[in-house]
Parts: sequence; C-alpha cells; structure tokens
Amino acid sequence: DVVMTQSPLSLHVTLGQSASISCRSSQSLVYSDGNTYLNWFQQRPGQSPRRLIYKVSKRDSGVPDRFSGSGSGTDFTLKISRVEAEDVGVYYCMQGTHWPPFTFGPGTKVDIK
Amino acid sequence: QVQLVQSGSELKKPGASVKVSCKASGYSFTNYAINWVRQAPGQGLEWMGWIHTNTGNPSYAQGFRGRFVFSLDTSVSTAYLQISILKAEDTAVYYCVRGLVDFDYWGQGTLVTVFS
Repeated sequence: DVVMTQSPLSLHVTLGQSASISCRSSQSLVYSDGNTYLNWFQQRPGQSPRRLIYKVSKRDSGVPDRFSGSGSGTDFTLKISRVEAEDVGVYYCMQGTHWPPFTFGPGTKVDIK
Repeated sequence: QVQLVQSGSELKKPGASVKVSCKASGYSFTNYAINWVRQAPGQGLEWMGWIHTNTGNPSYAQGFRGRFVFSLDTSVSTAYLQISILKAEDTAVYYCVRGLVDFDYWGQGTLVTVFS
C-alpha cells in the first residue's frame, strides 16, 4: 500500500500570514495516463471533509484562490496564502493512483496563533 | 446541486447490527461510484471500500471484509452500509463519498456509537 505522510502535523498560523503543508507518498503518484491523482481535503471542526484540490493543483469550484496545490512524483504541497479564521481545521492529502486501497495522510491541524 | 444525505446517529449494543443510508441527489446516481470512509473519534480518514453503482458490485478494503456490507437501491438513489456483530471499536463517523477517484462530494457523516 502507498503510505502518505504529512508535515507538520500541527501548524499555528498568524491571521494574514501564509501556511504550507507538505505531503509525501511512498511511491510516485504518476499514473499510466499521465495524471497524478493527489487530492487535498479540508475538514473544519464538526464538519465532513471537503475537497479543495484534485490532481495536485486543480482547485475545486468555490475554493478561494488563497489555496494552491503543487508538486510532482512523491512530493506535494498545499499552500494557504493570507490565512483567515475560517481556514482552521485539519487538512488531509489522499492518493488515488495506486488503489486499492485509497490512502490518506494522517492530517495536519491548522489553528490560529 | 449535488447532495449526499446520510441517516442519523445510531446508538447500538455490542453484537447488534446497523444500517446506514446515503441518499444521493442532484446528479445521475449510476454515473458515479460510492465510497465509504470511516473516521474513528479524534482520528484520521480510512477508506473502507466502494460500490459500483451500475453493477452493484462491492469491493472491500482489508480490515472491512466479513462484517461490512455495501448495497444499493438505485430506484431511490441510495447506498447503504450495513455493519453486523458490532464491536466497541466500530464506534466512528461513517461517510459516503461520491466518485471512485474523485471523492468530490461527501455526506454529512453518520455517527455510530457502540456501547454496552
């Protein structure tokens, strides 16, 4: 199974500052069709997860452009520019290339200083 | 708009069974697979498996074979998760999620609590 790791596991950010979360996979996530199936999800307190980013860098509809995804192969990053209070929650990366199983990272908890 | 609406919280005793429903709306139900994801209290997300909404063929992740059953009623655009012989460690929030690789829409989650 592909193991997903994230760092840091906890992030304390000042409002208006930027935050970056790293996600690494135990093997390359490039699929035979040329796509890289790496998703990012946000889970606000008490809510269900919401997809923010798919295929590494494609932002979902309604997701603020403060959120951006980047990376390739085994190393990926979610960046939140100008953090707002509503960004508090846990962020998960997930690989959809080598399945079954689909595997998630352990999550990164973001809160405000 | 796409919605997945799950049934309400359940409180069960060990050894009992539970059936969670997930009603889809806003899209053609059989065009997208349904995944099931578990989240134990204070823990991360764990993929349980998926069901092909055209064929009804389920596929289970390791650790979810035997007591867990995925099913459908396509006439009402609803997917089901049934868990039998409940154990305390089954206490979790269970999510249905649309799309095999997409995971683009999530239900609101169903909390299943198992306690004696």
